[in-house]
Amino acid sequence: EDQVTQSPEALRLQEGESSSLNCSYTVSGLRGLFWYRQDPGKGPEFLFTLYSAGEEKEKERLKATLTKKESFLHITAPKPEDSATYLCAVFTGGGNKLTFGTGTQLKVEL
Amino acid sequence: EPEVTQTPSHQVTQMGQEVILRCVPISNHLYFYWYRQILGQKVEFLVSFYNNEISEKSEIFDDQFSVERPDGSNFTLKIRSTKLEDSAMYFCASMLEEKLFFGSGTQLSVL
Repeated sequence: EDQVTQSPEALRLQEGESSSLNCSYTVSGLRGLFWYRQDPGKGPEFLFTLYSAGEEKEKERLKATLTKKESFLHITAPKPEDSATYLCAVFTGGGNKLTFGTGTQLKVEL
Repeated sequence: EPEVTQTPSHQVTQMGQEVILRCVPISNHLYFYWYRQILGQKVEFLVSFYNNEISEKSEIFDDQFSVERPDGSNFTLKIRSTKLEDSAMYFCASMLEEKLFFGSGTQLSVL
């Protein structure tokens, strides 16, 4: 069974304090690893898809990287508006669905 | 920018009643999904739909659940006889080229 584990569960940063979120996975046949942002009471908002080890993608203050066992979401100089829950999900060869982790709740304070 | 639209945003129902949650996926997308998220828990897959039939379903998606694409634009999730444990946020999603986009959800409360 596909498993996705995210850490930490919660993270509190000061504005400008860079950090990384981790997503480790155990799957059979990874077709893609997705990162989403979720605000309270809203649907997940697509950020990135990574397909192969060594791949990196960037969007504003966010950079996602992928290895054979885990992915990192690096947040550089975060701002309060980056506060949200960040979800990792895997898309595997066994089916056409995403399996989600439990997320990292990020709070960025002034 | 195209988006997945869900209605209603909130639905309150009595246990045992039928509910229909509605979605308009992004028009050129080929795969459609329903997911749910119980408060404080992870987003869980319910069902995928492709070429007018169910492609895959989870253990959660039992005989009380059904999906339909009655016309070229709408995609619905029906729960025949709601239970207290069906209370959750239900998300519709659609996919093209392995990019999955979610709607803003329907918060279902079963009393």
